[in-house]
Amino acid sequence: DQQVKQNSPSLSVQEGRISILNCDYTNSMFDYFLWYKKYPAEGPTFLISISSIKDKNEDGRFTVFLNKSAKHLSLHIVPSQPGDSAVYFCAASDPPGTYKYIFGTGTRLKVLA
Amino acid sequence: DAGITQSPRHKVTETGTPVTLRCHQTENHRYMYWYRQDPGHGLRLIHYSYGVKDTDKGEVSDGYSVSRSKTEDFLLTLESATSSQTSVYFCAISYSNSGQGTRYEQYFGPGTRLTVT
Repeated sequence: DQQVKQNSPSLSVQEGRISILNCDYTNSMFDYFLWYKKYPAEGPTFLISISSIKDKNEDGRFTVFLNKSAKHLSLHIVPSQPGDSAVYFCAASDPPGTYKYIFGTGTRLKVLA
Repeated sequence: DAGITQSPRHKVTETGTPVTLRCHQTENHRYMYWYRQDPGHGLRLIHYSYGVKDTDKGEVSDGYSVSRSKTEDFLLTLESATSSQTSVYFCAISYSNSGQGTRYEQYFGPGTRLTVT
């Protein structure tokens, strides 16, 4: 059973609007989360992280929100740009506190010009 | 730039042949990982290493072995390739670069596309 789930395989958003990518997890002990962006024929690129002691972390146009009670995190991209079109993966440190991660299946974001 | 290279970048091989993929890093990081990426499965951990000659299995290790005789190189071997091992393979290293204290993120190489016919 998948412990980290990205239930939306794809998402389309107009340029300039907000993109919201969602990720759910099952283990309440997960304590560190990562988001990656992946372009075709390239390796995933680290975007932003969040620790379970926080509920928000921002880096430029990217903000990650963590709702521990719902076991849910989301990545907000504002404003969305055509160059943001990629596959986005969330990941959780598993076992908690280690340097190993378990990844979701990814969401393909398409930003329409 | 995390200084990770993978070779070869593309390979086509026949069922039953051995295949070795190489991951090379230039920054002396302790932790290295091999993943495979398949449609509908995301990234799945095959093996990882926490130092020279220290390795352990990941989620999908059957049919794969690894070796790390030098800090900078982590080799993934398919002893007898099967069609189910057709995939894109990514190497990653782990270190802290996000400002989140001592927690480590992972940084990925460009990938190797392997086709087993």
